[in-house]
Amino acid sequence: EDKVVQSPLSLVVHEGDTVTLNCSYEVTNFRSLLWYKQEKKAPTFLFMLTSSGIEKKSGRLSSILDKKELFSILNITATQTGDSAIYLCAVYLRGTGNQFYFGTGTSLTVIP
Amino acid sequence: DVKVTQSSRYLVKRTGEKVFLECVQDMDHENMFWYRQDPGLGLRLIYFSYDVKMKEKGDIPEGYSVSREKKERFSLILESASTNQTSMYLCASSSRQGHMNTEAFFGQGTRLTVV
Repeated sequence: EDKVVQSPLSLVVHEGDTVTLNCSYEVTNFRSLLWYKQEKKAPTFLFMLTSSGIEKKSGRLSSILDKKELFSILNITATQTGDSAIYLCAVYLRGTGNQFYFGTGTSLTVIP
Repeated sequence: DVKVTQSSRYLVKRTGEKVFLECVQDMDHENMFWYRQDPGLGLRLIYFSYDVKMKEKGDIPEGYSVSREKKERFSLILESASTNQTSMYLCASSSRQGHMNTEAFFGQGTRLTVV
């Protein structure tokens, strides 16, 4: 059975802290791994990772994939209150319909 | 700009009612998905469709059905709503690009409460 596990489930930090969110997966027909940010509305796309060891970066956010150990991390440096959200990890699978398989999400709260 | 639109943001229905959730995308995407999102359980796939009139069950199809009569529209139907179907429902779409990777684009979600 395909599985995507995120940790921690929730996290509370102070502004300025650095956080690392984890996503591990056990799936067949892996194609790519995606990170989304969800505030009180639709998830918005952050990163797509297909190759091991290549860091993707956008401002204070960065992410990397390890296809040998089957995990990815999402780092957020110098956190701000606007980073408070649920962060979703998804694995994109090959095959009919090209499914996206999501983890449970990590709920991040950044307090001033 | 890419757009996935769900017909309602909030919906309150009575137990036993038939409920229709509508989703429309304007990106000419082949794939469309319905998820439900519950605290601690993440997004769980209910049904998806990779073409008009085609549908595949996801992980939790029980109590739901879907309809895809046109490429841009994917409907989720609760034949007889029950209180355990109270949830946030998210529609998504993606292109089928062969060997290319793609992302899922989401609607704003429908928060359904069944009383």
